[in-house]
Amino acid sequence: DTGVSQNPRHKITKRGQNVTFRCDPISEHNRLYWYRQTLGQGPEFLTYFQNEAQLEKSRLLSDRFSAERPKGSFSTLEIQRTEQGDSAMYLCASSPYRGGVDGYTFGSGTRLTVV
Amino acid sequence: DAKTTQPTSMDCAEGRAANLPCNHSTISGNEYVYWYRQIHSQGPQYIIHGLKNNETNEMASLIITEDRKSSTLILPHATLRDTAVYYCIVRGLNTGNQFYFGTGTSLTVIP
Repeated sequence: DTGVSQNPRHKITKRGQNVTFRCDPISEHNRLYWYRQTLGQGPEFLTYFQNEAQLEKSRLLSDRFSAERPKGSFSTLEIQRTEQGDSAMYLCASSPYRGGVDGYTFGSGTRLTVV
Repeated sequence: DAKTTQPTSMDCAEGRAANLPCNHSTISGNEYVYWYRQIHSQGPQYIIHGLKNNETNEMASLIITEDRKSSTLILPHATLRDTAVYYCIVRGLNTGNQFYFGTGTSLTVIP
């Protein structure tokens, strides 16, 4: 296993279009997280899953955003009716759950540009 | 989760130790200190974490003061590849396990 994989690496879309990103976590990790990072800022938490259950969503996750993790494996993050303010790096991370101490492994992210 | 305070930027000469400080004066008893770094255009990379005792791994050492209100990440022999933004994060076990990143310290290793 080579780590957390995110696709695509880059996405340019026109305002108003829908986009979907995919994250493949490390296979034995049952927790999966989505973060967003804008220029000059640290990553901001969006949502996380334990197996297939979405356990928490940040207020940053507006109703135009939806995330799924069917069967507890890969996850998708969809943004509907994209806006220029959605331009950011979208990061996925995964971790095992062994009492909550473990750190995450992050993917390299998907950079979204809305024009 | 407790907030952390880090210097915005630091420089370090190549081959010397890089000491990155972090203040977390409101840390509570069950909160751990974590360090991540982010090299340009990559996802953050986990470095180390600790609760009370000093910790060392192949990447770095973490020194936590006795009152746990501050800590220092030490990169013993900095290389140019250590140039990155370093994030100090405090996290408890009962917060859903998400990390709240601040803006970190931008470390530049100078040849």
